[in-house]
This record gives sequence, C-alpha cells and structure tokens, in this order.
Amino acid sequence: LAKTTQPISMDSYEGQEVNITCSHNNIATNDYITWYQQFPSQGPRFIIQGYKTKVTNEVASLFIPADRKSSTLSLPRVSLSDTAVYYCLVGIGGYNKLIFGAGTRLAVHP
Amino acid sequence: NAGVTQTPKFQVLKTGQSMTLQCAQDMNHEYMSWYRQDPGMGLRLIHYSVGAGITDQGEVPNGYNVSRSTTEDFPLRLLSAAPSQTSVYFCASTRGGDGYTFGSGTRLTVV
Repeated sequence: LAKTTQPISMDSYEGQEVNITCSHNNIATNDYITWYQQFPSQGPRFIIQGYKTKVTNEVASLFIPADRKSSTLSLPRVSLSDTAVYYCLVGIGGYNKLIFGAGTRLAVHP
Repeated sequence: NAGVTQTPKFQVLKTGQSMTLQCAQDMNHEYMSWYRQDPGMGLRLIHYSVGAGITDQGEVPNGYNVSRSTTEDFPLRLLSAAPSQTSVYFCASTRGGDGYTFGSGTRLTVV
C-alpha cells in the first residue's frame, strides 16, 4: 500500500506556477520526501528531496510543514515540456524500499 | 559515466520460458532496485538491494529472483514467464541521499 496520496491529474497553462500537494499522514521519523518526474516511455527522473521546511533547486521547490504530514512540490513558470507524471514518495533516507504511488498527471496547455 | 545500463531493451518470451534482465551501474552506488510498470500505471517495487550480497523483497516479488554478487550488477531473473509479467522493467541505483538514477527500461512481452 502506497504511503502517499496525491491528485490523479492537474491542468495548467504555460507560464503559470504549479503546486502539487502530497499527503503522507503516516510518515516516519527517518523518512525523507522525494519527488520524481516521468515522461512517457522513460524511467523516472529525480527532481527534489527534503526532510523539513523548504528545499529549492534549479528545477523546483519543496515545501514541508512542521508536522511533515504533507508536502508541496512547486514548479515555477511551467512550459509544455513539464507535461509529465509526478510522483511523491517517502522512504527511509529517501532511498530505502521506495514505493511509488499512482502519481499526478500534469498537463500543461499553450 | 554510462549511468544505469539495462539489457535487453526489448524482449519477447513464450509462456514458461526463463530469462535474465541485466542491470549494471558504474557509479559505485550501494542501493539498487527493480521496478515494473504496467501500461498507464505507476511503478511497483519487485526487489531491492542495499549492498553487495544483500537483497530483499518489494511489493511484487513472486515469479522473480535477484542476486547481488557485485556492487555494479543486479540481474533480475524470471523463473517461468507468464503473460501477467508483460510489462516495462526499470532498474535504478543510488548512493543514498540524492535520488535514484533509473535505466531506460526493458520492454518485455510474454505470449
């Protein structure tokens, strides 16, 4: 059983900011939160990982509240090439026995 | 750096045949995993390894065996192929802490 819950699909337009929220009510103390992106016919690609508060890299930001029961992936100014499936995962250290859920299908429109 | 290399890229098997999906990484990663992805679905963890000589079962291990004799290689063996094992198989590796690197996948059809 996946440890996370996220919306099945989202729609956005080019240039908008997209926020995808993931619920992980039973997150354990040693669990990290990791997000992956997957394009059709490709393997998933690591986007960002965090434990608490906020993490930012060149691609996205990850917001984690103090209780860590949810997290939000923020994609600034999306483009058509950001159309993909986005997976939220929790796991020990972010790498031990990672279980994927169904993911969120993001469609970016012109 | 080749990353994670999976072979073959495509394979057609007859029901009952056995085969080994190869996975090799050249990044000296400790952690390796095998996933399968059915059409339109998310990935499901088959087996994983936290280092050479150490493997464990994931969500859907039945019908598959793994071994990890070296850090670099993590082969997945299908013991007796069944149509339900038709899927795309992904191998992934990480040193821990910075996300998994996935291979390009093996597309397996069992007829």
